[in-house]
Amino acid sequence: TQLLEQSPQFLSIQEGENLTVYCNSSSVFSSLQWYRQEPGEGPVLLVTVVTGGEVKKLKRLTFQFGDARKDSSLHITAAQPGDTGLYLCAGASDSWGKFQFGAGTQVVVTP
Amino acid sequence: DTAVSQTPKYLVTQMGNDKSIKCEQNLGHDTMYWYKQDSKKFLKIMFSYNNKELIINETVPNRFSPKSPDKAHLNLHINSLELGDSAVYFCASSQDISWGVFEAFFGQGTRLTVV
Repeated sequence: TQLLEQSPQFLSIQEGENLTVYCNSSSVFSSLQWYRQEPGEGPVLLVTVVTGGEVKKLKRLTFQFGDARKDSSLHITAAQPGDTGLYLCAGASDSWGKFQFGAGTQVVVTP
Repeated sequence: DTAVSQTPKYLVTQMGNDKSIKCEQNLGHDTMYWYKQDSKKFLKIMFSYNNKELIINETVPNRFSPKSPDKAHLNLHINSLELGDSAVYFCASSQDISWGVFEAFFGQGTRLTVV
C-alpha cells in the first residue's frame, strides 16, 4: 500500500514570510497533484506534475516533482492570508485513477 | 454551474437509520469516486466507478452501497448507520489526461453526523 507523508502537519506564519510543504513516498507515482481545501469546501486542484524534476509555478506558488517521482514540494513566496488552507498532495499510480492522499498540511497565514 | 454537486450538504440522523447521498457531475468525466474525510482531515477513497462499473472497492463495510445509474451520477447509500460513520463524504470525478495522469474535481462534501 502506497503512503504519502506530508510535513509539516501544521504551519503558522506571518504574512510576507515564505513556506515550504513536503510530500514524500517510497513509491513511484505516474502523476502527483496538489490540492487546497478551505473549511466547508471540497479540495480544489492547484497543479499536476508528471515528469521527474518538473517545476511548475502558479503565481507565488512553486511546485516541484522529485527526479525519482517519489516526492514533491510546494513553496509559497510572500504568503498572504488568502493562502490559508489545508494543502493536500495526492499521487496516482495505476491505470484506474486511484488517488492516494497525504494527510495534509494545515497552513495558517496571519496578517 | 457547479461541476460536481452533491446533496445534502448536511445530514444529521440517528443510529440505525438508512440514508443516501447523491452526486452528479456535469464535466463529462468517465470516472467518479466517493471519499471519506475523517476528523483528522485524512481523505480515504471508498469507491470508484468508471462508466458505471465499479472498479475500486476499498475495505468498506458492506453497509455502504454505491450505485451509478449513469456515468454522470454516483449515489451512496448507507444502511444501519453507526456513530463511527460520522465524517464528511466527498464525491469526485476525473478524466484521463494520459496514462496514469488524472485530475480530480470534488464536490462540496456532505457532513454526516450520526447521533
